[in-house]
Parts: sequence; structure tokens; C-alpha cells
Amino acid sequence: GAGVSQSPSNKVTEKGKDVELRCDPISGHTALYWYRQSLGQGLEFLIYFQGNSAPDKSGLPSDRFSAERTGGSVSTLTIQRTQQEDSAVYLCASSPSTYNEQFFGPGTRLTVL
Amino acid sequence: GNSVTQMEGPVTLSEEAFLTINCTYTATGYPSLFWYVQYPGEGLQLLLKATKADDKGSNKGFEATYRKETTSFHLEKGSVQVSDSAVYFCALILSGTYKYIFGTGTRLKVLA
Repeated sequence: GAGVSQSPSNKVTEKGKDVELRCDPISGHTALYWYRQSLGQGLEFLIYFQGNSAPDKSGLPSDRFSAERTGGSVSTLTIQRTQQEDSAVYLCASSPSTYNEQFFGPGTRLTVL
Repeated sequence: GNSVTQMEGPVTLSEEAFLTINCTYTATGYPSLFWYVQYPGEGLQLLLKATKADDKGSNKGFEATYRKETTSFHLEKGSVQVSDSAVYFCALILSGTYKYIFGTGTRLKVLA
């Protein structure tokens, strides 16, 4: 079946612009995670959604970052007024439940000029 | 705090060589441990896991044993192939939580 998909695969933007990154999880997966992967760094947790519960936004690095998940399915990560330090690969993962294996999308590579 | 430490890469091996990638962890509770692999241009995928002490996870010729006494989960393979070239991530999740903690990844390059 279809895996986790993310779009766009690559995004180049100018400093100060807003960007939206999209994640389509595997159908039926209730848990959804966003991570940031910077060069030479591990995966940095950003946000976690579980079903209809309030998301855990504790990993969002600043108030320029926000995310939503509509209908318990598709998720969008929005970065406002992008900065060069936002350049990274943004990964989305979904899971059938919290303690199970995570299934990752291929990521969106964001470059802020 | 809770953390995962992996050996720095890149690790470069010849085909059929023995592979070890070290992973140690610090955790306040009883974690489950994972190895994920990221092939070029793809997302991370689960390679193997172990949920309690002395468990051995295995898949595709790779193995790792959960060693509570040394807080380690080293990844091994007896004979690597060029197709094993990828980045390998060690990770943990504590029981009763939902936050995975990942290591920084170790790049493996296997030469023919």
C-alpha cells in the first residue's frame, strides 16, 4: 500500500517568506510526528499528533513554526518569515499507535537563501 | 536527560567485511531500542528493534542485542554488501511516552 508522502520534495525560498510543507500519513495511522534533520545532527522532534488529542508542540523552535492536522489525516507544517537557520530536511512519520514502529516519508528539503 | 550516542561516521568498508556500529544510551526508565536505516533519497525505515534487556533484534543479516548492563545496542552484520550503504540511526523510546530520541546517525559506505 501507499506509504507516507510529503510535498514538495524540495523547496527553495527567500529569507522572510512563508512556506508550507505537507504530509500525507498512511491511512488509519493515528499518530503523526514532524522532525527536523539538520546536517550532521540527529532528528529533532518538532510536534506530535495523536488522534483527536491536543498536539504536543513542545519541540517547535519558535512561534514562527506551526502545524495542524486536518480530519486526523493530512498535516501541514508552516514556517513563517523563514530564516537561513530553518534550512534543513523536514521529516514526517506516522504510526498506527504511539508505541509502534514509525513509518517515515522521504522528507522535504528546505533551503532558505 | 535521555539520550542516544552513536559512533561518528563515515564508516567505509569493503564488501564482505564485518560491520559494527556502536550505540549507547542514557535513559531514566526502561526504553525500547531501535535501529532505523535511511537509504539515499528515501525516508527512514525500521531495521530492527528490541523491547527488553537481552532481547536480540535481527533483520536482513543485521543484529543488535539490548545490553542493559552496558546500556548499549550495537549494530552488527557479518558480511556487508554495497547495497547496505546508507545512514543508520539508533533510537529509543521510553515506556509510557511517545517521544522517540534519535542518535545523530552513522553513514556507512561499502566499496565493491
